[in-house]
Amino acid sequence: GESVGLHLPTLSVQEGDNSIINCAYSNSASDYFIWYKQESGKGPQFIIDIRSNMDKRQGQRVTVLLNKTVKHLSLQIAATQPGDSAVYFCAENLFSTGTASKLTFGTGTRLQVTL
Amino acid sequence: GAGVSQSPRYKVAKRGQDVALRCDPISGHVSLFWYQQALGQGPEFLTYFQNEAQLDKSGLPSDRFFAERPEGSVSTLKIQRTQQEDSAVYLCASSLGIDSSYEQYFGPGTRLTVT
Repeated sequence: GESVGLHLPTLSVQEGDNSIINCAYSNSASDYFIWYKQESGKGPQFIIDIRSNMDKRQGQRVTVLLNKTVKHLSLQIAATQPGDSAVYFCAENLFSTGTASKLTFGTGTRLQVTL
Repeated sequence: GAGVSQSPRYKVAKRGQDVALRCDPISGHVSLFWYQQALGQGPEFLTYFQNEAQLDKSGLPSDRFFAERPEGSVSTLKIQRTQQEDSAVYLCASSLGIDSSYEQYFGPGTRLTVT
């Protein structure tokens, strides 16, 4: 499939290390945030989400941190594996409207896991 | 079960040709979104359907872009008189419900190249 993220910032980590991917969001009214993983030739895949009434949420090997003061999100991946290599996007949404609304994606970060 | 499917996966069009891109959402999903992803960028919202109703088309870049979902299931994105700047991956996503708490599931996308 085609390559995603040819010109994106790249984070290179060794297998087994922890990864931290950062994202700045733009809309102070956004109250729902999602991290997506996109592998080459595939659509974005949901990883983890967080509502604005929380500042931290943990999943399996992943943790999302939200700092509303500076409009910053981070995704932490523990014990990074080769299968984690992909492009990662944060997306912001509006949950409080009660209707489905568009996702606004950030620019993305390519994660390369070295052996 | 089957996810979101899109066809064709790849489309090459000469400038000025019309194209039609198809999205088959997950069965029973009420909400359907179209996004455009330029190379090295995050997806950008184009339009949103709730069943057969197009509730938001604010992201369509020009009147050459048209989307429909006549029976509330399959959707088609049509681009008339294609231009080189239309070259991108077109992603379709569907979700089960009508508010933002429902995860958007993405298809693999259609890569459109306009020559």
